[in-house]
Amino acid sequence: QQQVKQSPQSLIVQKGGISIINCAYENTAFDYFPWYQQFPGKGPALLIAIRPDVSEKKEGRFTISFNKSAKQFSLHIMDSQPGDSATYFCAASKSGGFKTIFGAGTRLFVKA
Amino acid sequence: EPEVTQTPSHQVTQMGQEVILRCVPISNHLYFYWYRQILGQKVEFLVSFYNNEISEKSEIFDDQFSVERPDGSNFTLKIRSTKLEDSAMYFCASSLQLPAGTDTQYFGPGTRLTVL
Repeated sequence: QQQVKQSPQSLIVQKGGISIINCAYENTAFDYFPWYQQFPGKGPALLIAIRPDVSEKKEGRFTISFNKSAKQFSLHIMDSQPGDSATYFCAASKSGGFKTIFGAGTRLFVKA
Repeated sequence: EPEVTQTPSHQVTQMGQEVILRCVPISNHLYFYWYRQILGQKVEFLVSFYNNEISEKSEIFDDQFSVERPDGSNFTLKIRSTKLEDSAMYFCASSLQLPAGTDTQYFGPGTRLTVL
């Protein structure tokens, strides 16, 4: 119930392509879904987050799509760039809660 | 830009020894967290701390672990008797006015703990 399942484990995309990472959750009490970006040797950094009252949120080249009935959400990176090469984690938590549950991570490599 | 800092960046210890990992959260933040990441695996929540007490902890955070905010700036994680399986990257995080479910968490660069 506390898990967040993330796929794929790794992803290789050509420069300019679209990167898509998918996540699914079980606990319907979760209502805050952040995505984190992690570069080697660094801590995770918040990239974009969504709440279930909207089905999509866009910030620049990054878009979260959210399907509440399916309990799934995904990150789309448009016009992927080599600088986007990093590990991406989806996560989930409850509003007002202290714990964040992370997915297993997706290692993205964007080929120049 | 303010950031969370952690020391040391790498700690090597012998099994059974005590270690203290140190963090300096962003100065006006009120909520503090520790996470760990075993090599190649996901980030796992350990504990959250607010108003000088633990607000939530995971099953991983057993009696071997403790946290403390000894002064107005530092936040520490102590592992009393380290085991081989404690080898991981430990991340400290903080959030400003609301807990992680509502507010942005800012992560430090991590301390790599190696238990031999």
